[in-house]
Amino acid sequence: EPEVTQTPSHQVTQMGQEVILRCVPISNHLYFYWYRQILGQKVEFLVSFYNNEISEKSEIFDDQFSVERPDGSNFTLKIRSTKLEDSAMYFCASYFDRTSGGANTGELFFGEGSRLTVL
Amino acid sequence: SQQGEEDPQALSIQEGENATMNCSYKTSINNLQWYRQNSGRGLVHLILIRSNEREKHSGRLRVTLDTSKKSSSLLITASRAADTASYFCATVSGGSNYKLTFGKGTLLTVNP
Repeated sequence: EPEVTQTPSHQVTQMGQEVILRCVPISNHLYFYWYRQILGQKVEFLVSFYNNEISEKSEIFDDQFSVERPDGSNFTLKIRSTKLEDSAMYFCASYFDRTSGGANTGELFFGEGSRLTVL
Repeated sequence: SQQGEEDPQALSIQEGENATMNCSYKTSINNLQWYRQNSGRGLVHLILIRSNEREKHSGRLRVTLDTSKKSSSLLITASRAADTASYFCATVSGGSNYKLTFGKGTLLTVNP
């Protein structure tokens, strides 16, 4: 079964360093997302990406964050200068198979997450 | 309460019992979904119910939706130890962007 894959599974970084989290969404999907989950808290929307541009972003997604789909398969989240409060699990998700012929069920497919620890 | 807010926050039951989790939301929705998350793992989609549906079944799962009360419930029948996980409801509202808004989740512990 197709799946969303994320790397790295865990990254430890020093405050102020740049971090890039990588995701390979399910091929043929059109919508891509990043969510984050601070330990023990709810899953929060960061950004959605469609047609090679950001379609919506939350207040969390400030100038320190950026997303890219550099090569048609990878979808990356960059944090330019990490803060302690960026420590969280980051989930990538994708949605809507354009080849499904209308059989999309409405669910998002999530990766296993990248745990970011900022020291 | 926030969009997609579950109660109880934690639920502990014995294997074989039924588990019921509730979710309330504030704005109108297109659909409501339930996801499961094992500790430290990703989110797995369980079931989706559209705004014009009132009840849906999938295996041991039963979801209800009451749009007049802006609430949903997830029932897991004949629970198993392997059902131990966090369960989140997530809503999709209208508009051009399709995105999920998650609640805080219910931590379900099924004791063998």
